[in-house]
Amino acid sequence: NAGVMQNPRHLVRRRGQEARLRCSPMKGHSHVYWYRQLPEEGLKFMVYLQKENIIDESGMPKERFSAEFPKEGPSILRIQQVVRGDSAAYFCASSPIDSLYGYTFGSGTRLTVV
Amino acid sequence: AQRVTQPEKLLSVFKGAPVELKCNYSYSGSPELFWYVQYSRQRLQLLLRHISRESIKGFTADLNKGETSFHLKKPFAQEEDSAMYYCALSKVTSGSARQLTFGSGTQLTVLP
Repeated sequence: NAGVMQNPRHLVRRRGQEARLRCSPMKGHSHVYWYRQLPEEGLKFMVYLQKENIIDESGMPKERFSAEFPKEGPSILRIQQVVRGDSAAYFCASSPIDSLYGYTFGSGTRLTVV
Repeated sequence: AQRVTQPEKLLSVFKGAPVELKCNYSYSGSPELFWYVQYSRQRLQLLLRHISRESIKGFTADLNKGETSFHLKKPFAQEEDSAMYYCALSKVTSGSARQLTFGSGTQLTVLP
């Protein structure tokens, strides 16, 4: 089991471009979560998805950010028209149905907006 | 709203000394608390959870509801314990999933 796979590990975008971050959950995990870590801060919840459904997006910025978890393929976090303030580490985690045991995290994608 | 506070950003101890990483929380419900650890250049890993009352790598953490704390302790620190430690609180949201609220982390350095 390869664990939670995120790619790319590093992503550089110019202001105004789009950023696409991918997350493949662990085998057998049906819940995917995205977190953002700004410099000097802890991880902040963004969105929780199950296959083809957004369950909780209370942490997502209202504009430019979207997430999906299609029936086939990885979960995608999309940031349109990136700005410098979007520079952060974005972590994906997955859990089985019974998530009492906590999440398994990916290695993260570090987004730098120049 | 729930909140997790880790008052120390940096903590240094000598090898063999006891270590305590502080975590305080605020939550109106019954909390589920976790400690996560991130070693240099590695992914965030679950260290322990309060419901299991377990000891992992010599670390323990006791939930103190009166003081709303969940401090992480180890009696004899080792150099390989040097890492970033995050305290996290879980709340159940819609869909029966858990949403974690993280503290800002404490960077532990164990000196030789």
